[in-house]
Amino acid sequence: DTAVSQTPKYLVTQMGNDKSIKCEQNLGHDTMYWYKQDSKKFLKIMFSYNNKELIINETVPNRFSPKSPDKAHLNLHINSLELGDSAVYFCASTVGRKSGELFFGEGSRLTVL
Amino acid sequence: GESVGLHLPTLSVQEGDNSIINCAYSNSASDYFIWYKQESGKGPQFIIDIRSNMDKRQGQRVTVLLNKTVKHLSLQIAATQPGDSAVYFCAEVPYGQNFVFGPGTRLSVLP
Repeated sequence: DTAVSQTPKYLVTQMGNDKSIKCEQNLGHDTMYWYKQDSKKFLKIMFSYNNKELIINETVPNRFSPKSPDKAHLNLHINSLELGDSAVYFCASTVGRKSGELFFGEGSRLTVL
Repeated sequence: GESVGLHLPTLSVQEGDNSIINCAYSNSASDYFIWYKQESGKGPQFIIDIRSNMDKRQGQRVTVLLNKTVKHLSLQIAATQPGDSAVYFCAEVPYGQNFVFGPGTRLSVLP
């Protein structure tokens, strides 16, 4: 009965590869997010989707592209992976845009070698 | 990156003592605040929230205090237990904007 689930939990890959992380929420929420957490635990918002529309896009390289086939899913695709992309990526969702409790997934640890 | 130069503050408390975790927020337009707990290997989990029209809110063993004058938020945990060991984040939500997370504080509970 996981509310926000993301796969894979761990991902180890070489520089230059392309990879995707998937996220699904079964809470019926309208807004989903991707956050990046670095080694110092700093949480930085990357993207959010509201009703299948990208509503924010912070200063994230265009190698990162979110894809939302429907409001329950928000996948993250990363092209040409770099060492600095190594981090834990968290998917989250909330009821309404910019309000209410954020529900986080368990995280996907990406290691780029 | 954004975290260069930042370190993760650590608070160590004895089991059974009360813990106070502090957070300074930056935007006077923030009208909603939340505390999250992140255990090792897991995602952040909601603990308690407070609106800007309040200065105190209590939950089970936790209390959040809001001082808008000095833009300060605190989380008090009563009778701290080993299971409270985690990284704690405050988040502010400026009106009309998205969640902004603070740098986090690691709480270590000593036996």
